[in-house]
Amino acid sequence: GAGVSQSPRYKVAKRGQDVALRCDPISGHVSLFWYQQALGQGPEFLTYFQNEAQLDKSGLPSDRFFAERPEGSVSTLKIQRTQQEDSAVYLCASSLLGDRFGNIQYFGAGTRLSVL
Amino acid sequence: GESVGLHLPTLSVQEGDNSIINCAYSNSASDYFIWYKQESGKGPQFIIDIRSNMDKRQGQRVTVLLNKTVKHLSLQIAATQPGDSAVYFCAEAPHTGNQFYFGTGTSLTVIP
Repeated sequence: GAGVSQSPRYKVAKRGQDVALRCDPISGHVSLFWYQQALGQGPEFLTYFQNEAQLDKSGLPSDRFFAERPEGSVSTLKIQRTQQEDSAVYLCASSLLGDRFGNIQYFGAGTRLSVL
Repeated sequence: GESVGLHLPTLSVQEGDNSIINCAYSNSASDYFIWYKQESGKGPQFIIDIRSNMDKRQGQRVTVLLNKTVKHLSLQIAATQPGDSAVYFCAEAPHTGNQFYFGTGTSLTVIP
């Protein structure tokens, strides 16, 4: 596709349920980022991949959050035992290179997660 | 996380006027700054970036100014158009790692 694709666009989960959010980056992009965006706030960094390697997961809020990118393209963000505070928009971004200078991040439209 | 904040949460301007959106950052180690535009229901869209070795950078209708002395960043939009209505975020990147820290955002409304 032409851009970063995320699915589903909307997800409603019952508290305690596990969810999986998918990100299809732009083909050939080396870097992939996940962000969490609460209502009325800026995106907050969760984790970063360079190809299949997860180089930084310092932003993941708890061990209930897990991300993978096994073949260096599609990535999945998994949240186990969802809590109400996990309700947010989860954004995925990809960039062509591994270097951050001038390496524009292209964002998907996000997955809006609502935990009831 | 880092503290990246904006002075004005909302801004309304007349179509055709120039807009200035301000941002304060707290980490002296940040050496790369980016402005993003986010429309409702969409992901952030890159506008312009600047490295810390520069004070000013211009794009098409946009200019970013960086004042490292007071840790201040601004985005100037010339001849603001209705399509510029959106939330604008500044983001900073410390020289270590690949994390980008976003500010809270300023909502820009262009009045026709």
